[in-house]
Amino acid sequence: GAVVSQHPSWVICKSGTSVKIECRSLDFQATTMFWYRQFPKQSLMLMATSNEGSKATYEQGVEKDKFLINHASLTLSTLTVTSAHPEDSSFYICSAARRSYEQYFGPGTRLTVT
Amino acid sequence: AQKVTQAQTEISVVEKEDVTLDCVYETRDTTYYLFWYKQPPSGELVFLIRRNSFDEQNEISGRYSWNFQKSTSSFNFTITASQVVDSAVYFCALRPPSDSWGKLQFGAGTQVVVTP
Repeated sequence: GAVVSQHPSWVICKSGTSVKIECRSLDFQATTMFWYRQFPKQSLMLMATSNEGSKATYEQGVEKDKFLINHASLTLSTLTVTSAHPEDSSFYICSAARRSYEQYFGPGTRLTVT
Repeated sequence: AQKVTQAQTEISVVEKEDVTLDCVYETRDTTYYLFWYKQPPSGELVFLIRRNSFDEQNEISGRYSWNFQKSTSSFNFTITASQVVDSAVYFCALRPPSDSWGKLQFGAGTQVVVTP
């Protein structure tokens, strides 16, 4: 149990376009989901925390208008990178919390902006 | 403030050697959770262990073992008789209970390279 999926697993887009990444908890309900960004050979950096039915809480330095997060249901959260630029190219990972100390990670989405 | 330090950037070993990964943390909380995750080249984070700060009992699971020393704020991880499949980045993480949403503070990670 406790499987989290992400779609797509990788995406290439042109500069200026928007990209949506989905994160789903497949076999449990997640009241809280997290979005991380990971640059090559670096650690995971938390971007935002989202709770079902409420606005996401963004970490300092993360542009909320650029990284739109929607936690539409207890099993789905989406991250939309708007007007993507090459510097947004990164590995995006979501996680879903079943209980406060149980956090399950998705397989990640590799975004390349050309 | 919470902080997790993994001082070892990369460790290279030959297969069957033991590998110990260091993790030192800082927190003002008296209770907290500590985690180890493995990230193989595929990118997916694999959960290895969670430890509650109240539980200082060390644990062995197959070839993995963990040494939690609250007095020195360390939570070290050892792979015994390493295998090529152990090659990955290993992250130590801290989750303070003061954060009701359960945010994790990750260390920088340690790259383990196991060669045949």
